[in-house]
Amino acid sequence: NAGVTQTPKFQVLKTGQSMTLQCAQDMNHNSMYWYRQDPGMGLRLIYYSASEGTTDKGEVPNGYNVSRLNKREFSLRLESAAPSQTSVYFCASTYVRQNYGYTFGSGTRLTVV
Amino acid sequence: DAKTTQPTSMDCAEGRAANLPCNHSTISGNEYVYWYRQIHSQGPQYIIHGLKNNETNEMASLIITEDRKSSTLILPHATLRDTAVYYCIVRSPSGSARQLTFGSGTQLTVLP
Repeated sequence: NAGVTQTPKFQVLKTGQSMTLQCAQDMNHNSMYWYRQDPGMGLRLIYYSASEGTTDKGEVPNGYNVSRLNKREFSLRLESAAPSQTSVYFCASTYVRQNYGYTFGSGTRLTVV
Repeated sequence: DAKTTQPTSMDCAEGRAANLPCNHSTISGNEYVYWYRQIHSQGPQYIIHGLKNNETNEMASLIITEDRKSSTLILPHATLRDTAVYYCIVRSPSGSARQLTFGSGTQLTVLP
């Protein structure tokens, strides 16, 4: 039982490059989330998907797009990376509307130079 | 969402109980109290949650005051591996999917 798997674990991009962060969960959760965490800061919600086929903006969506590919997978895309997007990105999943805790992945450490 | 207030940092001696307080004076009747921790830039880890009764699991105990305006997470025998940032969050399970807001948390340092 892997839980939430994120790939890649580390990435360095040049300004203007694009990339997609992948996230997959094997717990049959219905809701999935993308957070970013800047050094010394708390987590901030970028986008979330309450259920398969739906996505919504969180607190800091600018510069990102998401795709809920199926119930298991939720990807985050940076179309034109900027240094301000240097951060650690966490994916999470849960059963929304039930008393479940969130399960987080181990993170993707992204540096934009 | 109800707001939470936690001390910025706390120290605890290894082997002793660590008691982490959280104030949530504006909590609504259907909101649960959740605790997570984050060990050195790893993904946050769910610890425990409760509504109004005290709860215990293999990791910790959660004590919620009768008026539900505050709670305490108890790690009964803290180890060095419990050094982490601990987040107290209130959330309604019937609310929207976005209701998991992380504040600054409490940095717990377990000292040898």
